[in-house]
Amino acid sequence: SQQGEEDPQALSIQEGENATMNCSYKTSINNLQWYRQNSGRGLVHLILIRSNEREKHSGRLRVTLDTSKKSSSLLITASRAADTASYFCATDAGSGAGSYQLTFGKGTKLSVIP
Amino acid sequence: GAGVSQSPSNKVTEKGKDVELRCDPISGHTALYWYRQSLGQGLEFLIYFQGNSAPDKSGLPSDRFSAERTGGSVSTLTIQRTQQEDSAVYLCASSLVVSAYSEQYFGPGTRLTVT
Repeated sequence: SQQGEEDPQALSIQEGENATMNCSYKTSINNLQWYRQNSGRGLVHLILIRSNEREKHSGRLRVTLDTSKKSSSLLITASRAADTASYFCATDAGSGAGSYQLTFGKGTKLSVIP
Repeated sequence: GAGVSQSPSNKVTEKGKDVELRCDPISGHTALYWYRQSLGQGLEFLIYFQGNSAPDKSGLPSDRFSAERTGGSVSTLTIQRTQQEDSAVYLCASSLVVSAYSEQYFGPGTRLTVT
């Protein structure tokens, strides 16, 4: 079963607007990561947030994590056409053997219209 | 090159044939991972290597799938007697160590089409 589930499945915004994507997961985790994928290839790591962190920033990216709700959000501020891509959250298995194993959601497809 | 590379980038094969996919991880990365991305299925973890060892093969979809890694570097994923449901993008990633906190760097993938 999917550990991470993103919503919305697709998001279309105008350039300059902010984009917010959400991810929910089911079991305890050590960390949650966000990746970007262009044109169905080449996943690029964006940011990792640990389970004891609540918010993290990287450039125009802001990630929040609420472990009580088992959810995370990725905010991209002042979006650009180049941000058009699919965004995935990935969670580890929490504890024990295989905790390194990342489980990805099905992603949010973001379209930024110039 | 500094990144993870995979070859071939695209592979079209006939049903029943064997295929071999190759992954060159980032130099010095001891951990290597294989994932599969099918249309509508998201990314599915297949197998990981710590050095040359693959401690857990339970993620492989069937016994037609096998993987090996030699010299702590290059890895090959072999699919025997390919089926149409094997069509997918196969992604390889590497990380410095096997750890839940270690960032995984992904290659561009191999798009496999079984006709």
